[in-house]
Amino acid sequence: GAVVSQHPSRVICKSGTSVKIECRSLDFQATTMFWYRQFPKQSLMLMATSNEGSKATYEQGVEKDKFLINHASLTLSTLTVTSAHPEDSSFYICSARDARETTDTQYFGPGTRLTVL
Amino acid sequence: AQSVTQLGSHVSVSEGALVLLRCNYSSSVPPYLFWYVQYPNQGLQLLLKYTSAATLVKGINGFEAEFKKSETSFHLTKPSAHMSDAAEYFCAVRGAYSGAGSYQLTFGKGTKLSVIP
Repeated sequence: GAVVSQHPSRVICKSGTSVKIECRSLDFQATTMFWYRQFPKQSLMLMATSNEGSKATYEQGVEKDKFLINHASLTLSTLTVTSAHPEDSSFYICSARDARETTDTQYFGPGTRLTVL
Repeated sequence: AQSVTQLGSHVSVSEGALVLLRCNYSSSVPPYLFWYVQYPNQGLQLLLKYTSAATLVKGINGFEAEFKKSETSFHLTKPSAHMSDAAEYFCAVRGAYSGAGSYQLTFGKGTKLSVIP
């Protein structure tokens, strides 16, 4: 149980285009999903917290107009990188909290490798 | 505020030897603590968690961790290392409230485990 999927696993795009990444909880409902960015050989950096039906809460320094997050259902959250630039190239990971659990365990997706040319 | 310190960014052990990965935490409230493992180009997988029940927690793949309040530690151990244990390991503590009954996780910087044949 507690499986989280991400799509796509890899994406290469041209500078200036937008890219959408999907995060799905496959066997549980997630009232809260989190989006992280991970640079090579570093820890995870929380970008934003997404609560179903509400606007996402962004961490300091993360541009909300550049990284659009939508959490329209209890099993799906999307991250759209708008007008992507090479500096946006990174590994993006989502996680989801099972609404039935009280331990704040986060279950992680497999990640999406974004390369902006 | 909550924080996590992982001592040693890189640990090498011989196959069959004891694995010990160190994690110390700081928390103003009773902590929930987690260990995750990350294989290259993948998301994070939950190894085990402490949520105020038994202080010795057993996880997957033969790993276990002991919560020691007096030492503010939650070290991860495995009696006998296997080649497949080579990965990045992250310790995390429940952090700030993020709404909808959920809390963020605050991660350590990670420890890369190498297993020497």
